[in-house]
Amino acid sequence: SYVLTQAPSVSVAPGQTARITCGGDNIGGRNVHWYQQKPGQAPVLVVYDSSDRPSGIPERFSGSNSGNTATLTIIGVEVGDEADYFCQVWNPSNDHRVFGGGTKLTVL
Amino acid sequence: EVHLEQSGAEVKKPGESLKISCQGSGYDFATYWIAWVRHMPGKGLEWMGIIYPGDSDTAYSPSFQGQVTISADKSVRAAYLEWSTLKASDSAMYYCARASSGGPFDFWGQGTLVTVSS
Repeated sequence: SYVLTQAPSVSVAPGQTARITCGGDNIGGRNVHWYQQKPGQAPVLVVYDSSDRPSGIPERFSGSNSGNTATLTIIGVEVGDEADYFCQVWNPSNDHRVFGGGTKLTVL
Repeated sequence: EVHLEQSGAEVKKPGESLKISCQGSGYDFATYWIAWVRHMPGKGLEWMGIIYPGDSDTAYSPSFQGQVTISADKSVRAAYLEWSTLKASDSAMYYCARASSGGPFDFWGQGTLVTVSS
């Protein structure tokens, strides 16, 4: 089965740029979706199809995907961005979905 | 407005059965997939399986195949997640989420907390 690898944690100071990566075999050939989950809340889609942003998501959130790494970038990080972030892909051969293990973003 | 409303928290004993629900509104329920996702305390999100209410086409994660049953009734716009024999290790928050074919989970339910304890 397809495996997505995320670093357990990333720490940045307010106003800085956070980069959260998601590794997978030739992930650049797949559409990657990113979710933000704050404690006690349901996940929220923040980037879909690797680089598109749903309505209502700030422009500070962006995504890229190439080779074996997809990246969620948050520019000008705010304290309110502190959350767990999960990447996710679809396997069209069996209709299965896969989540990465998640990255906890800490805003120092 | 798209909305997924999940059934309320459950407290059950090991060995008991359980069926939780996810009711969709604000869109054509039959033409979007509904997935179930487990979130255990301190752990990541786990995709359990997915169903297409239009024809009940279903796919399960290998980790959950045979452990749960996913079903849907498009006439009442609801999807279900069912256990025949609960274990303590099934204690978790369970979310339903909507997706187009191959697309992202764009709307999520509020979650159903399942606690299994003797």
